Amino acid sequence: EIVLTQSPATLSLSPGERATLSCRASQSVSSYLAWYQQKPGQAPRLLIYDASNRATGIPARFSGSGSGTDFTLTISSLEPEDFAVYYCQQRSNWPPAYTFGQGTKLEIK
Amino acid sequence: QVQLVQSGAEVKKPGASVKVSCKASGYTFTSYGISWVRQAPGQGLEWMGWISAYNGNTNYAQKLQGRVTMTTDTSTSTAYMELRSLRSDDTAVYYCAREGGIAAAGDYWGQGTLVTVSS
Repeated sequence: EIVLTQSPATLSLSPGERATLSCRASQSVSSYLAWYQQKPGQAPRLLIYDASNRATGIPARFSGSGSGTDFTLTISSLEPEDFAVYYCQQRSNWPPAYTFGQGTKLEIK
Repeated sequence: QVQLVQSGAEVKKPGASVKVSCKASGYTFTSYGISWVRQAPGQGLEWMGWISAYNGNTNYAQKLQGRVTMTTDTSTSTAYMELRSLRSDDTAVYYCAREGGIAAAGDYWGQGTLVTVSS
């Protein structure tokens, strides 16, 4: 089973700063990686799929990069509503099976 | 617009079963799959399994094999997840999500269903 390790566990930043979140896979997942944002009491929200594609309605300040085993979610300039928990997720080829990372909490400094 | 509406909260005793429904609208139900994901209190996301709404094929997480069954009713565009032999550590919010076409467990998500297992 592929394990996803996210770092850091907690990231403390101020609005307007740049956030860089990391996700490392225990073996190659090609570009089959997604990122989600989750706020308290809400369902996860898909931000990025296939490593670098923004989902519908996601602001351009969110970007994803990477392939193979190392991936990054970047938020170029933090807005107050961006403080949340972020999860990466990988997909096996077929049949579909998914694994989530343990999450990174982005908190206001 | 795409919507997934789940059934309401449940309280079950250990050893019982629970069946959560997820009614889809705003898209062609049989063109996508449904993922089920759960989240224990204060914990991360755990993928439970997937079902094709086209042909009913399933793939379950290994740790839940034998206890979970996912089904769909295409006549009502509804997906179901049944979990049996409930334990206290099954207490969680259970989500359904539309899956397919992209490498993501879900691009649209239900609102979640809290299942509490307690004696």
